Amino acid sequence: EAQVTQNPRYLITVTGKKLTVTCSQNMNHEYMSWYRQDPGLGLRQIYYSMNVEVTDKGDVPEGYKVSRKEKRNFPLILESPSPNQTSLYFCASSSRDTNEKLFFGSGTQLSVL
Amino acid sequence: SQQGEEDPQALSIQEGENATMNCSYKTSINNLQWYRQNSGRGLVHLILIRSNEREKHSGRLRVTLDTSKKSSSLLITASRAADTASYFCATADTGRRALTFGSGTRLQVQP
Repeated sequence: EAQVTQNPRYLITVTGKKLTVTCSQNMNHEYMSWYRQDPGLGLRQIYYSMNVEVTDKGDVPEGYKVSRKEKRNFPLILESPSPNQTSLYFCASSSRDTNEKLFFGSGTQLSVL
Repeated sequence: SQQGEEDPQALSIQEGENATMNCSYKTSINNLQWYRQNSGRGLVHLILIRSNEREKHSGRLRVTLDTSKKSSSLLITASRAADTASYFCATADTGRRALTFGSGTRLQVQP
């Protein structure tokens, strides 16, 4: 089954404790993105990747890192999480471009205390 | 700032009725897409309409795009309880590598 898999689904952590949210897609998509969703603000792009070893900042990249060492994986790293990073995070992939039809993961609800 | 702004914010209808949601945007776009999100879950792509298209159909969905008014509408015909979800429009703005999402319309379909 074609899918984008994110883990974990829920995560509670404390300020400053490094964490990684994993994302994997099995559709051989070149384009992958991370979004965060906050009430009243819609979804905002954090980082995107056009291909292996090619990443770039989205609209809200501060406090986040990403890597794309393999085509299928695109982890999101929070090196020193802060409470304002409490949000619902989505990984997405696309076969055509980062602004074409996106396939989304199920989301990761992160709470930073 | 949010590009796609949906209207209404919330909509409650009876099963079998049609649901219409509107989206307005501000800049030049390459395409406009509609997504559905069930509570707290991932978004599911519904339909994409390109800037040179005016109308598109997919099953019970009908999307229109008016680039002169910078607006789009999503019509769901013969709604079902399973259509209950939030619906988001997303614009692919010219020169950007990201979709710009609106805040969504919450649709409740009463059985």
